[in-house]
Amino acid sequence: GAVVSQHPSWVICKSGTSVKIECRSLDFQATTMFWYRQFPKQSLMLMATSNEGSKATYEQGVEKDKFLINHASLTLSTLTVTSAHPEDSSFYICSARDSSHYEQYFGPGTRLTVT
Amino acid sequence: GNSVTQMEGPVTLSEEAFLTINCTYTATGYPSLFWYVQYPGEGLQLLLKATKADDKGSNKGFEATYRKETTSFHLEKGSVQVSDSAVYFCALSAGGTSYGKLTFGQGTILTVHP
Repeated sequence: GAVVSQHPSWVICKSGTSVKIECRSLDFQATTMFWYRQFPKQSLMLMATSNEGSKATYEQGVEKDKFLINHASLTLSTLTVTSAHPEDSSFYICSARDSSHYEQYFGPGTRLTVT
Repeated sequence: GNSVTQMEGPVTLSEEAFLTINCTYTATGYPSLFWYVQYPGEGLQLLLKATKADDKGSNKGFEATYRKETTSFHLEKGSVQVSDSAVYFCALSAGGTSYGKLTFGQGTILTVHP
C-alpha cells in the first residue's frame, strides 16, 4: 500500500531556532501534499497546501513566513518552523495525494517540542 | 465555513458490543464524507468514504451512510473487537477551490476491552 513517511518522528529544539520536517511519499508521486497541525485532544487543523513546483497555499491565520513550505519534487515536501517558540510545540502531520487517483495518505506525524 | 462535529469521547466498550459514533457536518454544496482511523503510533488511515447522498461506505465491518437530510455520517459496527481500539475521525472534503482539503472532526477515542 501507499506509504508516507515523516522525519523526524520527534524533535526537541530551543526557542529561537528553526526546525525542518520532511514528508515523503515512498511509492507514489504526489503533486499535492497537505500539512496539518494537531493539538492535544483536538482535531487536525489544515495549515497549508503544498503543490509541487509552486508556492504553497496557506490557510487563514497561518503565518507563511513562520511556516515555510517547500515542495521541490513529486515525492518530498518540507515544513520549516522558523524562529520556533514554545507555542509552536505541537504534532505536525502531512498527507500526500496520489497523483494517479487522488487518494490521500497520511504520514505518522512529527512531535515538535520547543523549550 | 465547513465544519464537522463528532460525539464526545472517549468511548469504552466490551468486545462484541455494538458501536455508534455520531458525526454531523456543515458544508456548502455537496461534500464527500470520510471516516479515518488512527491506531496508536501510526498515521491516519482511510476507513471508509461516501461521495454522494444515500451512499453507504463500508470496510472491515464498519459502515456509514451519507444522510443529506440530517447532514450526518454516523459510523457503526455491529460487533467490535479489541483490535478496533483507536481514534476515529470524521472528515469532509468540499469541492471547488477547496478540493482535496479535509476538514476534520475532533476525533473520538474508542477503547474495547476483552
